[in-house]
Amino acid sequence: SQQGEEDPQALSIQEGENATMNCSYKTSINNLQWYRQNSGRGLVHLILIRSNEREKHSGRLRVTLDTSKKSSSLLITASRAADTASYFCATDEYSGGGADGLTFGKGTHLIIQP
Amino acid sequence: SQTIHQWPATLVQPVGSPLSLECTVEGTSNPNLYWYRQAAGRGLQLLFYSVGIGQISSEVPQNLSASRPQDRQFILSSKKLLLSDSGFYLCAWSWARSYEQYFGPGTRLTVT
Repeated sequence: SQQGEEDPQALSIQEGENATMNCSYKTSINNLQWYRQNSGRGLVHLILIRSNEREKHSGRLRVTLDTSKKSSSLLITASRAADTASYFCATDEYSGGGADGLTFGKGTHLIIQP
Repeated sequence: SQTIHQWPATLVQPVGSPLSLECTVEGTSNPNLYWYRQAAGRGLQLLFYSVGIGQISSEVPQNLSASRPQDRQFILSSKKLLLSDSGFYLCAWSWARSYEQYFGPGTRLTVT
């Protein structure tokens, strides 16, 4: 299956700064999710935004979705060293009913410098 | 609460040898189950998914196979490993008709 694209591929910022990552996809979706992966570990679900939503917040996370541009952004505010990880967007653009699995992007590797 | 286990955590196998990776979920019934592979520095590629015992759908033709002998057990197998099978294998589960997936810790497979 095709994959979405995250941008940038890597991002290094100072602790306390905000980090913004972007994701693009190719076809229509019902929802878009963001996941975090610490090095050598499994993925952890962060947030899901539905196609009829434009913005969603969860703690220090803010996700936006622009279905006209087929893109999403993840903003992490007041970054911490523990936020160092790879971040992936995932869509249901090639699945039906939720059972068919997600289409993941290649990820953004975020490094928070202390 | 629900937990998902994968084993082994790491595995080094020679080319041509068989493979069996196991995934089990606790604390839920009739979950959807998924196998993904992640090559180094890449995103996840969906390999198989299952909506019930004995029901397996394959996303990518390859020398791997999957089985679901019990409701909360998902097994990834191969009769003969290839060098290209090396990677990080992740099992995940979701509630039926839910998009949020919950991942296991993964198995690092190196084929030599």
